[in-house]
Amino acid sequence: QKEVEQDPGPLSVPEGAIVSLNCTYSNSAFQYFMWYRQYSRKGPELLMYTYSSGNKEDGRFTAQVDKSSKYISLFIRDSQPSDSATYLCAMNYGGSQGNLIFGKGTKLSVKP
Amino acid sequence: EAGVAQSPRYKIIEKRQSVAFWCNPISGHATLYWYQQILGQGPKLLIQFQNNGVVDDSQLPKDRFSAERLKGVDSTLKIQPAKLEDSAVYLCASSFTASGNTIYFGEGSWLTVV
Repeated sequence: QKEVEQDPGPLSVPEGAIVSLNCTYSNSAFQYFMWYRQYSRKGPELLMYTYSSGNKEDGRFTAQVDKSSKYISLFIRDSQPSDSATYLCAMNYGGSQGNLIFGKGTKLSVKP
Repeated sequence: EAGVAQSPRYKIIEKRQSVAFWCNPISGHATLYWYQQILGQGPKLLIQFQNNGVVDDSQLPKDRFSAERLKGVDSTLKIQPAKLEDSAVYLCASSFTASGNTIYFGEGSWLTVV
């Protein structure tokens, strides 16, 4: 079983839809959880990070962590064509082990 | 604030040739990472530096890959000799601390081995 599982999609939604992106993980030692957005031919861009279970909101984006279920989500409200990208979940153990363990990424397309 | 700088952006080489990638992290960031991203996959850590010391290089194929960060700022990743399976994007990233909950990536160096 991979440490981090993420459905690669592709996921296609109409403009204005609510998008739900998810990852599951197997190692309960993970401490920090991040979501990155990666446009074609670009590097990953940090969207949000969370530490504890619960929700964190930033504009149209909400990150949710459920440590008991080993499940994280990213919700995008009022999706825009500019949100079309690959979304990568990532997590690490904290401390001196800062390196990130990534999911495969979900490719999202928002149609006007 | 300037981001993580990488060069070259694109490189095509023949198998068994060598290639080097350069990275300049965000100013003041002590921790520097090199990741490899194969098409359709998430990035995978190759090596992590804290200042000019190596923290983790357990996934670096040391028979062909090498990396250095001599003065604790810039870093170079070298591949010699390259194999077809090394075709990937090589991403440099940096963070202020080793706990790395905010890691910022460069645009990547796209390598094609033919």
